[in-house]
Amino acid sequence: DTGVSQNPRHKITKRGQNVTFRCDPISEHNRLYWYRQTLGQGPEFLTYFQNEAQLEKSRLLSDRFSAERPKGSFSTLEIQRTEQGDSAMYLCASSSWTDSYSGANVLTFGAGSRLTVL
Amino acid sequence: KNEVEQSPQNLTAQEGEFITINCSYSVGISALHWLQQHPGGGIVSLFMLSSGKKKHGRLIATINIQEKHSSLHITASHPRDSAVYICAVRPIQGAQKLVFGQGTRLTINP
Repeated sequence: DTGVSQNPRHKITKRGQNVTFRCDPISEHNRLYWYRQTLGQGPEFLTYFQNEAQLEKSRLLSDRFSAERPKGSFSTLEIQRTEQGDSAMYLCASSSWTDSYSGANVLTFGAGSRLTVL
Repeated sequence: KNEVEQSPQNLTAQEGEFITINCSYSVGISALHWLQQHPGGGIVSLFMLSSGKKKHGRLIATINIQEKHSSLHITASHPRDSAVYICAVRPIQGAQKLVFGQGTRLTINP
């Protein structure tokens, strides 16, 4: 499988627990994005990495949220002390720097990780 | 008001009809994406546009930068085209993130 892989696909947790999602991007893509999507809405930007550097972070990302991409390959998104409002689909996408500037259409999304907080 | 507005929000049509989905945005952009999302969450990137028109099979996307408007057209629609179609723009400010519209839910009946 050469696409963007996200795990787990679905996580059900109790309020107050910590959860971690993993994203494995396309191997040659150096840019990685996390988005959050709630029911009936379009995705909202959370954060963006170029290689291992986290270059942009939305104000939506409270201090309970942390994202890492330690070796510039896979990324993790951790939510601490989950709240019911965190229930959403968490989407990861990756792209290539060179393809972005050439105009090639290579933004690739994973299938998402659905979080349900009870 | 959202930075990216799509219309209509829901569209039901019969197989074979010509479909148009519209997207208007209020910020300066470097590019606009059209995306397709099927039930279960998977998103597929259809087009990235910065000017003019692109065509891929039965799909056509156009953009008018001056009017801050884009359209996605589907010719000879088919039930397998049923999905949510999302417009997303890449603002000139904060150019590494996409700002998404709410999506248009398209249902094509046989």
